Amino acid sequence: SQQGEEDPQALSIQEGENATMNCSYKTSINNLQWYRQNSGRGLVHLILIRSNEREKHSGRLRVTLDTSKKSSSLLITASRAADTASYFCATDGTGNQFYFGTGTSLTVIP
Amino acid sequence: KAGVTQTPRYLIKTRGQQVTLSCSPISGHRSVSWYQQTPGQGLQFLFEYFSETQRNKGNFPGRFSGRQFSNSRSEMNVSTLELGDSALYLCASSLTPLSGNTIYFGEGSWLTVV
Repeated sequence: SQQGEEDPQALSIQEGENATMNCSYKTSINNLQWYRQNSGRGLVHLILIRSNEREKHSGRLRVTLDTSKKSSSLLITASRAADTASYFCATDGTGNQFYFGTGTSLTVIP
Repeated sequence: KAGVTQTPRYLIKTRGQQVTLSCSPISGHRSVSWYQQTPGQGLQFLFEYFSETQRNKGNFPGRFSGRQFSNSRSEMNVSTLELGDSALYLCASSLTPLSGNTIYFGEGSWLTVV
C-alpha cells in the first residue's frame, strides 16, 4: 500500500492566496520529499526534508515535518496561476524506492 | 546539463504485444528507477537499477522487466501487454541509491494498450 496520503485531494484558490497541503505517512522515514507534476508531465522535485529537520524553506515554499505525528505540510505562499499542478509527497523506503502519496490537485485561479 | 530523457514519449500497442521503453539518466547518475502512474493506483515503484544490477523490485508480475547498461542507460520491457498496462511510465535517476539523494524524473512515456 502507498506510504503517503495527501490532504486535501483537491484545492482551488485565488491567485495571491496561500495554499497548504498535508501529507501523512505510516512508518518511520529517513527523508520526505515533495514533488510537483503538471498535467501529463514528469515530476519536478521541490524540496527534501530530513527526518531530523522540522522546517525548510525554498523560495515561496515552506515545508514542515512532524515525525511524532508522521505528517508533513507544504505551504505555497502568494500562489500564481503557474502553480496549478498536482503535488505529491514521497517517503523513502529501501534504496530509491519511494512511496508516493495520492497527490493534491491544486488549481490557482487568476 | 541534460535531464532524464525517456523515449518514446507516446505509443499505442495492441493487447498481447510487447513494448520496450528507454531511459537515459542525467550524466553522472548511476541509479535508475522506474515507476508506473495510473489514475487508479497512483505512482507505483517498478524497479531500481544501480551498476547494471537490479537492487529492488516492486510488486509487479514477471511480464515487467528491465535492465541497465554499462553507460547507466536503462530499458524496461513489458511483455504480453494487457489493457491495464496503459499508464504513464516514469524513469528517475540519482547519483547513487543512497537515501537522501534527490531523484530526478523524466517526462515519462505514455503507453496506451488497445
